[in-house]
Amino acid sequence: LAKTTQPISMDSYEGQEVNITCSHNNIATNDYITWYQQFPSQGPRFIIQGYKTKVTNEVASLFIPADRKSSTLSLPRVSLSDTAVYYCLVGLTYNNNDMRFGAGTRLTVKP
Amino acid sequence: DSGVTQTPKHLITATGQRVTLRCSPRSGDLSVYWYQQSLDQGLQFLIQYYNGEERAKGNILERFSAQQFPDLHSELNLSSLELGDSALYFCASSAWRVSYNEQFFGPGTRLTVL
Repeated sequence: LAKTTQPISMDSYEGQEVNITCSHNNIATNDYITWYQQFPSQGPRFIIQGYKTKVTNEVASLFIPADRKSSTLSLPRVSLSDTAVYYCLVGLTYNNNDMRFGAGTRLTVKP
Repeated sequence: DSGVTQTPKHLITATGQRVTLRCSPRSGDLSVYWYQQSLDQGLQFLIQYYNGEERAKGNILERFSAQQFPDLHSELNLSSLELGDSALYFCASSAWRVSYNEQFFGPGTRLTVL
């Protein structure tokens, strides 16, 4: 499983767009990029997944450059309820032998 | 609500004891995963079962074991408990589709070993 690097923490204000970047320099050809969100004392929740270019759903957008060595999770107009830890995972979607969440990015949204 | 249920919600026990955590996956999901989350270790993958068979193994101690039953529910058994085993234990399930592998996490079981 490709190793990922994310910022430990980020601060933002309500209504702003937040971009969290994840580095995965040794991503393999067949690897997908997946982001999860976790609130305190709750299980992680799937946000978005992508392979290349851009993916958008009702919650977030995921931008993946052509070399796929990094990815950026974009949260539009964050609210206080978006305060959580965000994890970037890179790996084959059908191979979970090494499913590691890493330390994640702790996002704090302020009023 | 993810559709994954875990019991009990909280468990307090003593060192050296044995406990069993239970997980019921979402309807139709064949894969069950177990994770341990402690303050200093983050979220660690323990083991995965698919349709009753062990599929993948992570950082699971020999004192821990798991199984998935014919009705697809799973149990995680923790024995000879140590203080360091105190953590949140999450179960997740997925439909195991090749090109899409979203996992749905349960609410967790908080284990406290005294």
